[in-house]
Amino acid sequence: GQQVMQIPQYQHVQEGEDFTTYCNSSTTLSNIQWYKQRPGGHPVFLIQLVKSGEVKKQKRLTFQFGEAKKNSSLHITATQTTDVGTYFCAGCFYDYKLSFGAGTTVTVRA
Amino acid sequence: DSGVTQTPKHLITATGQRVTLRCSPRSGDLSVYWYQQSLDQGLQFLIQYYNGEERAKGNILERFSAQQFPDLHSELNLSSLELGDSALYFCASSPPPSTDTQYFGPGTRLTVL
Repeated sequence: GQQVMQIPQYQHVQEGEDFTTYCNSSTTLSNIQWYKQRPGGHPVFLIQLVKSGEVKKQKRLTFQFGEAKKNSSLHITATQTTDVGTYFCAGCFYDYKLSFGAGTTVTVRA
Repeated sequence: DSGVTQTPKHLITATGQRVTLRCSPRSGDLSVYWYQQSLDQGLQFLIQYYNGEERAKGNILERFSAQQFPDLHSELNLSSLELGDSALYFCASSPPPSTDTQYFGPGTRLTVL
């Protein structure tokens, strides 16, 4: 089926360190979106990647879309306590169906 | 505040019952999506409507149904409720033309006892 796999499920990071979360699809995606959900909150849109090989940056966050449009990554540098939450990727397939990854839950040690 | 509203915020009911969750999308958004988020299954896409028409269907049970009305608000009906249906149900909307940025509502927490 059309599913997006996301790893790791949990990421415990020392404040100031970097980390990366990865998403993979077995099928080519139309686009991929990233969301952040704070504890007790709702998912909030971060960014959408559409083009093959696309790279976008938002301050300390770098998003990449693979050349084959089957994988994506989110890299956060110099992690801060405000980065705590769960990061989801959502793959959009060409039949409009969306598949959310399981999410990477990030905790930060001060 | 995303501009998407959902009611009720909390709902507690018994097994076998039927409930209706309501969602009002952001002004101008034509697409409405429904998601179920439970602790053990993450965020599951249920169904999408675009301008009143069903556009995509995900892992929605036959006991669940949804519709989008002419004023673009949407309702998710859950029937013959089971304990396992306890979850957060999110509605999201997106502007035309289609699957772009989604704006999530605050969610409805359903507890089935």
